[in-house]
Amino acid sequence: AQSVTQLDSQVPVFEEAPVELRCNYSSSVSVYLFWYVQYPNQGLQLLLKYLSGSTLVKGINGFEAEFNKSQTSFHLRKPSVHISDTAEYFCAVSGDTGAGSYQLTFGKGTKLSVIP
Amino acid sequence: DAGVIQSPRHEVTEMGQEVTLRCKPISGHNSLFWYRQTMMRGLELLIYFNNNVPIDDSGMPEDRFSAKMPNASFSTLKIQPSEPRDSAVYFCASSPRDPGSAKNIQYFGAGTRLSVL
Repeated sequence: AQSVTQLDSQVPVFEEAPVELRCNYSSSVSVYLFWYVQYPNQGLQLLLKYLSGSTLVKGINGFEAEFNKSQTSFHLRKPSVHISDTAEYFCAVSGDTGAGSYQLTFGKGTKLSVIP
Repeated sequence: DAGVIQSPRHEVTEMGQEVTLRCKPISGHNSLFWYRQTMMRGLELLIYFNNNVPIDDSGMPEDRFSAKMPNASFSTLKIQPSEPRDSAVYFCASSPRDPGSAKNIQYFGAGTRLSVL
């Protein structure tokens, strides 16, 4: 079974300050990790992904995340946030759960509010 | 590519009525997923299809919910009869026919916001 924990449901941060959104996962199989962003009244958009290779992955809009296998974490970071980054961010894990199925398991989401 | 297309974007109906949500996946994708998003429960996987065949429908809340995928380019999620507690945003997502790890990437539609009065 897979699970994802996003410890912070809401994160307020001032504009141009750095931000880190935390994500921890558990899985009994090799994992693939994702961050999705959801702007108000929109669908989920892929922000970045870890499939293999370098543990530091860069995504759109200046975000990056680091896969840490020993700590089972995949925290999302941005060195300087902008008002337009205000959105809800979802961490997700995927892996072969059997019969070739690759389901995504989502965390509860973290609402990032950027304060002018 | 047009992305995953869902219709309608908004649906308002009365309790007891039948509701049908539609989804057109990205061309060439062979897996399709239906999710429900609510404030209380977050994102829940309802059902997913692989090559038009339902693989896991354990997330479907009850018999009032049914989903079909008659061909590779179309799927429906039907609720009959609808109840106020079905009010939520329903998302469809698809993922590619790739033997490698890219098959794990899901692409989401804009969602259908359902309100059952």
